[in-house]
Formats: sequence, structure tokens, C-alpha cells
Amino acid sequence: GAVVSQHPSRVICKSGTSVKIECRSLDFQATTMFWYRQFPKQSLMLMATSNEGSKATYEQGVEKDKFLINHASLTLSTLTVTSAHPEDSSFYICSARVGRVGNTIYFGEGSWLTVV
Amino acid sequence: GEDVEQSLFLSVREGDSSVINCTYTDSSSTYLYWYKQEPGAGLQLLTYIFSNMDMKQDQRLTVLLNKKDKHLSLRIADTQTGDSAIYFCAEDRYSTLTFGKGTMLLVSP
Repeated sequence: GAVVSQHPSRVICKSGTSVKIECRSLDFQATTMFWYRQFPKQSLMLMATSNEGSKATYEQGVEKDKFLINHASLTLSTLTVTSAHPEDSSFYICSARVGRVGNTIYFGEGSWLTVV
Repeated sequence: GEDVEQSLFLSVREGDSSVINCTYTDSSSTYLYWYKQEPGAGLQLLTYIFSNMDMKQDQRLTVLLNKKDKHLSLRIADTQTGDSAIYFCAEDRYSTLTFGKGTMLLVSP
């Protein structure tokens, strides 16, 4: 199956700093990438949808100035958590759609963010 | 309702079959997915089914789809301890995935 890679898998940062998480599609071009957040023992919450070359579409309640998403190429999307706070600590997962709407979506391995 | 519904927990013995059920919300959803998540890891795509299919079999996995009732199930034959994980069903709705809360499958020896 298609491979989606996330980096870093774990990151610890100080409160007030910014941290960037990368999501790459390794063997296909991803026109659409998705960013999710997962709290412990809970389901995935969609944060935003990003299309290559255009601005991300954020879900209601997600602060776009805090969670900056860039999808500069067909194989890379980045999520930057700005001015991180301890409540931003979570598991962040990206996914990428192979091709257009209706095609399969594959997930990365996720990134654990701990803000201290 | 608006949510994708799953039972939260299933416990089986090794070698038995496991059946995980899911009710989705949108009859126009084109694809329905099953993902597996092991502790601390991302989601692994197990299988998916087109909405115009009733059944799909892939080795030990069998997916059944009842469009009338918007009911999806995943059957794992000869369940192994390595199958212990959380299983999420998801529907492809409005070009994004909507997930259920996940079913924790515990397989005991």
C-alpha cells in the first residue's frame, strides 16, 4: 500500500515555542492531505484539509493562526503548532489521499507532541 | 444521527472469529474503511469497500455492508493475539473521513 511518513514521531517542546511536524507521501502524489488530532483513548478529530497550492480548510473550532498548515508540494504538508501550550500536547496524525475524491486515504504513523 | 457508531469493546479467545460492527450516517458515502491502530501508533488501513458492494473478502478479513441499514461489519477469522488493537470504521463523506470512536479488540490466549 501507499506510504505516508511523518516526522518527528515524538517531540518535546517548551511552552511558548513553535514546533513543526512534516507529513510526506513517499510513493505517490497527494493532492489532498488531512491533519487529525487524537486525544488519549478517543477517536480522531479532523483539524484541517489541505490541498496542494492553496490555503487549508480548517474545521470549526480549530484556530488557523495557531495551527499553521502548509502544503507546498504534492508530497509534503507541514503542521506548525505556534506558541505551544501544554493543552496542545496530543497525538497528531496526517493522512493523504491517493489521487482524487473517492480514492483511498492512507495515514502516517503519527507524531506525539508534549509541551512542557 | 450525525455520528459513526461502534461498540467500544470486544473480547475474544485466540482462534475464534471476531465481528466488529459499525453504523454510519450518510447513505451517499462512497467508500467505507476499516483501520487498525496499535498503541502509540498511527492508523493502518486494513480494508475498504465500495458502497455498491455487499461483501469484500481479503484473507482473514471479511467486510459486510448493508446499505439499507447503513451497517458495516468487519469479521476477522482465526483471531490472533497480534490482532489486539483498536479498530476504527470510517465513512468517506464530503471528501473527508468521519471516524467512529473505535472498538478495542482484546484477544486472549
